[in-house]
Amino acid sequence: DAGVIQSPRHEVTEMGQEVTLRCKPISGHDYLFWYRQTMMRGLELLIYFNNNVPIDDSGMPEDRFSAKMPNASFSTLKIQPSEPRDSAVYFCASSSNRGGGEKLFFGSGTQLSVL
Amino acid sequence: SQQGEEDPQALSIQEGENATMNCSYKTSINNLQWYRQNSGRGLVHLILIRSNEREKHSGRLRVTLDTSKKSSSLLITASRAADTASYFCATDAGGFKTIFGAGTRLFVKA
Repeated sequence: DAGVIQSPRHEVTEMGQEVTLRCKPISGHDYLFWYRQTMMRGLELLIYFNNNVPIDDSGMPEDRFSAKMPNASFSTLKIQPSEPRDSAVYFCASSSNRGGGEKLFFGSGTQLSVL
Repeated sequence: SQQGEEDPQALSIQEGENATMNCSYKTSINNLQWYRQNSGRGLVHLILIRSNEREKHSGRLRVTLDTSKKSSSLLITASRAADTASYFCATDAGGFKTIFGAGTRLFVKA
């Protein structure tokens, strides 16, 4: 298996632009997580899905952020409009059999810079 | 908000020495995990310890859990330069959320 695949690897955009981050989880995994990592705030859980359904989005910072999972093999995190304070590394992770608190498999992340 | 808090924030040791990192958390947990992150990469799972376990080993890793003190420690024995990375504890309080601490940056000098 190729692991969790995220794209793009790097994204540089200007304030006010729409940004879309993409994630392909590991096949067969039924949980998908989006995290944001910054020096100041560490790793923050933004939202997670189970069987393509959003379960908890309490970590989504504001209405400018939205996430979708149209099928088991694809998820997007969209920021519209983007702001400089959104600059961070965004990670997608997937797992299965969450009832036992199984381990997360992380993608390589998207480094987002909003100028 | 972060559930786990690691200390120290940074640790520098010589190759061959042992490295100990600690994690404290706030609420009851079902399990606690440790992850490693190399610079510029995603996190990699190292070990999971359940709330009814007190100690677990995996290769050069030893994890302890004290639920009465709400704390865990990760010991890396006979460290190598390749162990240089950031180490995070993560807790799963049963709501299917996995919340990470701030991490410990470990630097192993060759």
